Parts: sequence; C-alpha cells; structure tokens
Amino acid sequence: EIVMTQSPLSLPVTPGEPASISCKSSQSLLHENAYNYLDWYLQKPGQSPQLLIYLGSNRASGVPDRFSGSGSGTDFTLKISSVEAEDVGVYYCMQSLQTSRTFGPGTKVEIK
Amino acid sequence: QMQLVESGGSMVQPGRSLRLSCAASGFTFRIFGMHWVRQAPGKGLEWVAFVWHDGSNEDYADSVKGRFSISRDNARNTLYLQMNSLRVEDTAVYYCAREVGSCSGGVCYVDYWGPGTLVTVSS
Repeated sequence: EIVMTQSPLSLPVTPGEPASISCKSSQSLLHENAYNYLDWYLQKPGQSPQLLIYLGSNRASGVPDRFSGSGSGTDFTLKISSVEAEDVGVYYCMQSLQTSRTFGPGTKVEIK
Repeated sequence: QMQLVESGGSMVQPGRSLRLSCAASGFTFRIFGMHWVRQAPGKGLEWVAFVWHDGSNEDYADSVKGRFSISRDNARNTLYLQMNSLRVEDTAVYYCAREVGSCSGGVCYVDYWGPGTLVTVSS
C-alpha cells in the first residue's frame, strides 16, 4: 500500500496571502508514461470532495487559476497564490497509481 | 446535468447486511469506472472499492475484502455496494465517485462525487 502524508495538518491563512500544502508518497507516483498519478481534492464544510488538480499539475475544469499543483516522484505541492474566504476546508492528496487508492490525512485550511 | 445520488444508508446492528445504491444520470455511465469511498465521522477519506466500466473486474480495500461487494447495472445506470458482516468501524458516510479515463497507463482521475449516504453500525 502506498502511504500518503501531508503537511501541515492545519493551516491558518490570511485572505490575500499565499498558501502551500505538501504531500509525500511512500513510493514514486511517476509512471513510465511520464504522468505523476497524484490528485488534489478540496472538501468544503458539509460538502463532498471536489477535484482541484489531477495528474500532479493539471487544473480541473472550473478551478480558479490561483490553484496550482507541482512536483514529481514522491514530493508534491499544492499552492494557492492568493487565498480567498471560499477556499476554507480540508485539502486531500490522493494517489491513483494503484487501483487501491490512498489518501493523505488532509490539511485543514481556515481563515485566521 | 451530471448527477450521482447515493441511497440505502441507515442504522444497522453489527453483523447485519446493507446494500447501498448510487444512481447516475447526465452522462454515459457504462463507459466510466466507479469507486466507493467512505468517511468516518470527523475523519479523513478512505477508499473502499472500485469496479471497471463493464463490471469485469473489481478491487477492494483490505479492511472490507471478503465482506463488501461492488457491482453495477449499466442498463439501470446504477452502482451498488453490498455490505455484509458490518462492524462498528464501518460507520461512515459512503460516497460514490466517477473515474475518468483509464489508469492503465493513461490519463485518469476521479472527477465527481455524490453527496454521500450515512451508514451507522451500532447495537
């Protein structure tokens, strides 16, 4: 099983400021086809998760461009260039290299 | 408009069975692989099971293997999760989610989740 870790687990943010979340995997998520099988999701309070970034760095349809994903292999980062109040919630990374998906523990983002 | 709507969640005693359903609409259900993912109260996300687009293959988390069974009826645009020998630790909101593409060497990602259905296992 691929183990996913995230840091920090809690992130107080100030609107207008940037924010960054790290995700690490216990084995490389880089496939021989050059795709990194790492996705990012945001679960807003009381809602189901929504896709933000897929395959490491591809923004999903309708996701604001203040969200970006980077990284390769075992180390990945989600960045929010300028946090807005609507960005609060729990952010999860998930590996899709194996059919048996695994998630990170989540990073709770809240406004200071 | 694409929709996934789960149903069938309820309170049951340990050791009993329950079947969840996920009704899909607004897209061609038969060409997408489908997942079940659960979330215990106040906890993170846990992947449960996956079924190929044509139902030809399945995969399960170790925590549910041998007790849960995922299936689908493409004629009815419906995904199922049969849960047997339920345990207190199976208490969670269960989400169905759609997978785009094929992870067998190509582009793939889980792009849409239903609102979830709550399963409570308690004596």
